[in-house]
Amino acid sequence: NAGVMQNPRHLVRRRGQEARLRCSPMKGHSHVYWYRQLPEEGLKFMVYLQKENIIDESGMPKERFSAEFPKEGPSILRIQQVVRGDSAAYFCASSPGGDSPLHFGNGTRLTVT
Amino acid sequence: GENVEQHPSTLSVQEGDSAVIKCTYSDSASNYFPWYKQELGKRPQLIIDIRSNVGEKKDQRIAVTLNKTAKHFSLHITETQPEDSAVYFCAASSSNSGYALNFGKGTSLLVTP
Repeated sequence: NAGVMQNPRHLVRRRGQEARLRCSPMKGHSHVYWYRQLPEEGLKFMVYLQKENIIDESGMPKERFSAEFPKEGPSILRIQQVVRGDSAAYFCASSPGGDSPLHFGNGTRLTVT
Repeated sequence: GENVEQHPSTLSVQEGDSAVIKCTYSDSASNYFPWYKQELGKRPQLIIDIRSNVGEKKDQRIAVTLNKTAKHFSLHITETQPEDSAVYFCAASSSNSGYALNFGKGTSLLVTP
């Protein structure tokens, strides 16, 4: 089992560009969660998705951020018109559902210049 | 929503001593409480978890206790080793949130030889 796969590991964008972060859950996992981590801070919940459905996006900024988990392919976190404050590590986690443990990917470190 | 408080934010112990990290939560519906260890630049990794139907769980040098009445839970590491040095995060979740984890802000543990 390859684990949760995130790519790219590092992403550099200039202000105003778009960032697309990808997450492939573990095999057999249909629940995906995205978290943001600022340097030396905790993990902030952003969004929870199941296949083709956004279940909870209460932690996601209302503007510029969107997420999807299509029927086929990875989950995508998209940040439009990035600003310096978007620089952070973005972690994806997956689970098979219920109170099963969440397994995290290695994260994408976004730097906005 | 759920609010998880974690203390202390930093903890320094001598090798061989015990380390205790404490967390409180606000949502009485929370029933799943995992602990994650994150080394610098790495992904969070689950080290132990506890569900609300038990009060204590132990795995070798690591134990977790849960007091549902007081809404607090603790991580105990005995016979600490330098490789235990990392940031530890507690979290809480419930079925109400689809088991999306709400994390504490983390405890940076340093074990000195």
